[in-house]
Amino acid sequence: DAGVIQSPRHEVTEMGQEVTLRCKPISGHNSLFWYRQTMMRGLELLIYFNNNVPIDDSGMPEDRFSAKMPNASFSTLKIQPSEPRDSAVYFCASRDPQGGNQPQHFGDGTRLSIL
Amino acid sequence: GNSVTQMEGPVTLSEEAFLTINCTYTATGYPSLFWYVQYPGEGLQLLLKATKADDKGSNKGFEATYRKETTSFHLEKGSVQVSDSAVYFCALSSSNNAGNMLTFGGGTRLMVKP
Repeated sequence: DAGVIQSPRHEVTEMGQEVTLRCKPISGHNSLFWYRQTMMRGLELLIYFNNNVPIDDSGMPEDRFSAKMPNASFSTLKIQPSEPRDSAVYFCASRDPQGGNQPQHFGDGTRLSIL
Repeated sequence: GNSVTQMEGPVTLSEEAFLTINCTYTATGYPSLFWYVQYPGEGLQLLLKATKADDKGSNKGFEATYRKETTSFHLEKGSVQVSDSAVYFCALSSSNNAGNMLTFGGGTRLMVKP
């Protein structure tokens, strides 16, 4: 079975550029989560979708960050304009519809470096 | 609000040593508890879970028991291997107005030496 698929695996770009991270959740999962992981702050939840609808975006750090889920099989996280402090590993996770006792399944992440 | 506290690492052990990584939590209601493992360059993988008090989760030789009276979910393994070297995250899932989300601890890095 295919797990959560994220692309790209690595992204290096200059500050000010737009960055788009992509995620394909596990088929049949109806909840999707975007996380950011850094040494300083650990793992932070950025935004959470349920049935393609954003439920909680309180973790999105600034207006430069936006996330969409146009359908059940695809989500994007955009940063525009990007800044060096956005450098981190960004993870996407999905969960099946049976509810909160079910585990989240994580992708392998996108390692983002903003120069 | 919900919170998870786990011991800071790194924890360095020799192969075949006994492992304990402490985890305590604060939550309203009746959370489910999880241990995730992150190997270098990878995402988090579910290691084990427990959904109610006194449940024991186990996988790959790892165990953790849901202790409501001490609000703890300590991870243990009787004999670690070099391949167990990774970062371990304790987490809880509890309902709130936004649905069921995970609250993670800060992670504990385990290094096992041959």
